[in-house]
Amino acid sequence: AQKITQTQPGMFVQEKEAVTLDCTYDTSDQSYGLFWYKQPSSGEMIFLIYQGSYDEQNATEGRYSLNFQKARKSANLVISASQLGDSAMYFCAMRETLAAYNQGGKLIFGQGTELSVKP
Amino acid sequence: SAVISQKPSRDICQRGTSLTIQCQVDSQVTMMFWYRQQPGQSLTLIATANQGSEATYESGFVIDKFPISRPNLTFSTLTVSNMSPEDSSIYLCSVVTKDYGYTFGSGTRLTVV
Repeated sequence: AQKITQTQPGMFVQEKEAVTLDCTYDTSDQSYGLFWYKQPSSGEMIFLIYQGSYDEQNATEGRYSLNFQKARKSANLVISASQLGDSAMYFCAMRETLAAYNQGGKLIFGQGTELSVKP
Repeated sequence: SAVISQKPSRDICQRGTSLTIQCQVDSQVTMMFWYRQQPGQSLTLIATANQGSEATYESGFVIDKFPISRPNLTFSTLTVSNMSPEDSSIYLCSVVTKDYGYTFGSGTRLTVV
């Protein structure tokens, strides 16, 4: 069965510093997708970054980058130059692939990491 | 990517009553997902709703408690029936877009008293 593990319940980082949020996954599929979402206290889910299993380069989106190590089955999120507004819950998720639809199935979420940015 | 309008954004309900949550998408989508997020927890999938077929429920969730409708490719509803305080959660709908991205509604924060 597919599984996502986030082992850091909470993290603190100083404003303007970089922080790495850990995510490991388990799947027997060859084709899969990995996502990171931010959830502020308002409850909405904000998409941050995506990495496909066949992507050879690590994904980057502005201050967000994904350190994808396929052999180790890890997909860590790196936030550079942290800002106070980055304080939120962060979820790593994996897309289940449905062979029948070939359009991507449900997302499986990790337990989340609560990031607090200190001024 | 798609834009989802989810209503209501929050509600406080009496135990034993039902609440229907709506999600309207600005484009046609094949698959729509309903998630529950209990306080301090991660997101758990309730069911997958495809237009024209019965929703597929995950283990631990039943149709009598969480009936879902999917009348067309842009709209779905989730009803939380016979509510108890344990149903107090954030409920989110999500869709898969053609680029295999996922978009979420803004969530419904439900409190049952």
